[in-house]
Amino acid sequence: KNQVEQSPQSLIILEGKNCTLQCNYTVSPFSNLRWYKQDTGRGPVSLTIMTFSENTKSNGRYTATLDADTKQSSLHITASQLSDSASYICVVSALRGRYGGYNKLIFGAGTRLAVHP
Amino acid sequence: GAVVSQHPSRVICKSGTSVKIECRSLDFQATTMFWYRQFPKKSLMLMATSNEGSKATYEQGVEKDKFLINHASLTLSTLTVTSAHPEDSSFYICSARVRGGSQPQHFGDGTRLSIL
Repeated sequence: KNQVEQSPQSLIILEGKNCTLQCNYTVSPFSNLRWYKQDTGRGPVSLTIMTFSENTKSNGRYTATLDADTKQSSLHITASQLSDSASYICVVSALRGRYGGYNKLIFGAGTRLAVHP
Repeated sequence: GAVVSQHPSRVICKSGTSVKIECRSLDFQATTMFWYRQFPKKSLMLMATSNEGSKATYEQGVEKDKFLINHASLTLSTLTVTSAHPEDSSFYICSARVRGGSQPQHFGDGTRLSIL
């Protein structure tokens, strides 16, 4: 069964600290993996995307890693800010053709991050 | 670029009424649009896939007569929740994508639907 599991479910850190969010998946065949940031009451916004051959991708203070062998990904946030408080969703895309001709997205349940001053 | 606009952002209505939600791609043509539902502290659940000019494809367990989807143009898809009841209260999010299986989905900001 295609699944994406994220940990922890929620996390509280102090402003300025670093944190790492985890994502394990069993989606096959794999196309790509994205990390999204979703603010409360808003739609998800893409942070990073990685394909099978990429094992790290940065976007400002966000750095994502991917280990396609172990099917694990992480999102590292450096020097956290209050505005980083949000849900972070790991989304894995299954290869085109397996689900009616388009890549189907498998969503994780997200990690709710709260950054406190 | 790649902005998806959803309207309204919030709607409160009485039980039994029908509610229409619009999803527009503002700066690109979306051959495919997706409708998701999200419960509090849960992730997005795909409801249906909408292709321009053809009938929507619904996920298992989603009532097509309850959630009417129309994708009349390359920039607009609508979701109508018919005869809404309190259990239909949820956060509905659309996304849009250009042609091509590997193209990313761009998400709208969602619609908070509350049925009294």
